[in-house]
Amino acid sequence: DIQMTQSPSSLSASVGDRVTITCQASQDINNYLNWYQQKPGKAPKLLIYDASNLETGVPSRFSGSGSGTDFSFTINSLQPEDIATYYCQENDNLPPITFGQGTRLEIK
Amino acid sequence: QVQLEQSGADVKKPGSSVKVSCMLSGDKFGSYTVTWVRQAPGQGLEWMGGILPIFGTTDYARQFQDRVTFKADKSTTTAYMELLSLTSDDTAVYFCALGLGGTFDTWGQGTLVTVSS
Repeated sequence: DIQMTQSPSSLSASVGDRVTITCQASQDINNYLNWYQQKPGKAPKLLIYDASNLETGVPSRFSGSGSGTDFSFTINSLQPEDIATYYCQENDNLPPITFGQGTRLEIK
Repeated sequence: QVQLEQSGADVKKPGSSVKVSCMLSGDKFGSYTVTWVRQAPGQGLEWMGGILPIFGTTDYARQFQDRVTFKADKSTTTAYMELLSLTSDDTAVYFCALGLGGTFDTWGQGTLVTVSS
């Protein structure tokens, strides 16, 4: 099974900062990597699919990049409403599906 | 608007089973996959498996395959997840999600299952 290593596990940043989260796959997953945002008490929300495609309706300050085994997720100009936990998820060669461990993002 | 509506919170005794429903509104199952993901308190997301309702084919995560069953009723566009032999470790929020392949763009609100004696 593919393992996903996401870092950092938690992150504190100021409003307006640029924030980057990384995810590393244990093997080549091409670009089959998604990013989700989960706010407390809510279901996950798809932000980025296939590594770099912005889901409809998601603000353009969110972006993703990478391919193969190394991926990154960036929030340009952090906003207060971006407080959440972010997860990467691989969907190459299903099943199974694997999520990263999550990154908890807080505002300083 | 496509939405998934899950059944309400449930409290179960250890050793019993639970069945969670997930009703799709605003669309048909079509070629969508319904996946089930759970989240223990304060923990991350754990994939349990999924069902392709159009064919009824299922995939189960290895750690659940002996005690979980997924079903889907195309006539009512409702998917079901049944988990047997519950222990306290199964206390979690259970989510259903809809998507194509392994990308899930529509999620249910989650169902809290508490296992307690």
